[in-house]
Amino acid sequence: LAKTTQPISMDSYEGQEVNITCSHNNIATNDYITWYQQFPSQGPRFIIQGYKTKVTNEVASLFIPADRKSSTLSLPRVSLSDTAVYYCLVGPPEGRKLIWGLGTSLAVNP
Amino acid sequence: SAVISQKPSRDICQRGTSLTIQCQVDSQVTMMFWYRQQPGQSLTLIATANQGSEATYESGFVIDKFPISRPNLTFSTLTVSNMSPEDSSIYLCSGGYTFGSGTRLTVV
Repeated sequence: LAKTTQPISMDSYEGQEVNITCSHNNIATNDYITWYQQFPSQGPRFIIQGYKTKVTNEVASLFIPADRKSSTLSLPRVSLSDTAVYYCLVGPPEGRKLIWGLGTSLAVNP
Repeated sequence: SAVISQKPSRDICQRGTSLTIQCQVDSQVTMMFWYRQQPGQSLTLIATANQGSEATYESGFVIDKFPISRPNLTFSTLTVSNMSPEDSSIYLCSGGYTFGSGTRLTVV
C-alpha cells in the first residue's frame, strides 16, 4: 500500500482558499486518492476521491497531475469551522483497507 | 452515504474486564474495519471484519485480545478483552466511506 506525505500543519484565514498537497510517489495503477476530514472527538468524514485530473464536489476540489504522484486538496473560502485534520490516503476505492498517515492539521484564523 | 451508529460513545472500565463495542450501519457494506486512534495521533487499523468468515487482523493485533463478530452486512462488534491501561484509546469502526463516531475507552 502506498504511503503518503503531507504537511503536518497549515495556517489560514477565513475566506482564503487553502491548498493541501500530498505526495504519493509509489501509488499503484489501481489506487485511488481519498481525502478525509476529522474534527476532535469525531470519526473521520469523507471529503472527496479521485483517480486522475480534477474532481470537484460541493465541498472541495481535488487536483491530480498526470503522473499521479501527488494530489492537491483545494478548499475554497475556508471558515473557522474548517479547522480540522485532513488526511490523504491512497488505495483501493470504496473504503477498503487504507493506511493512514499523520494528516495535516489546518487552523483557520479569524 | 451510509450512516454508522457506534456505541458506547465512551466508557471507563476496570483492568481485566472486557468491553464490546457495536457498530450498526444503515445499509449493507461488504467490509467493515476497526481502528484504534490515540488522541492527537493517526488511525491504526486493527482488523477487517468480513461477513461469514473470520476477521483479518493486522500485525500486532490478535483475535484473542480483539475478537470481532460480523453476523451480517450491517452490523459488527469489537471486543477489547482483558483490558489494561494501555488499551485506553479511541476505537472507530468504518464501512464504505463512513466512520462511526468513535468509542473513547479509559481503562483504570
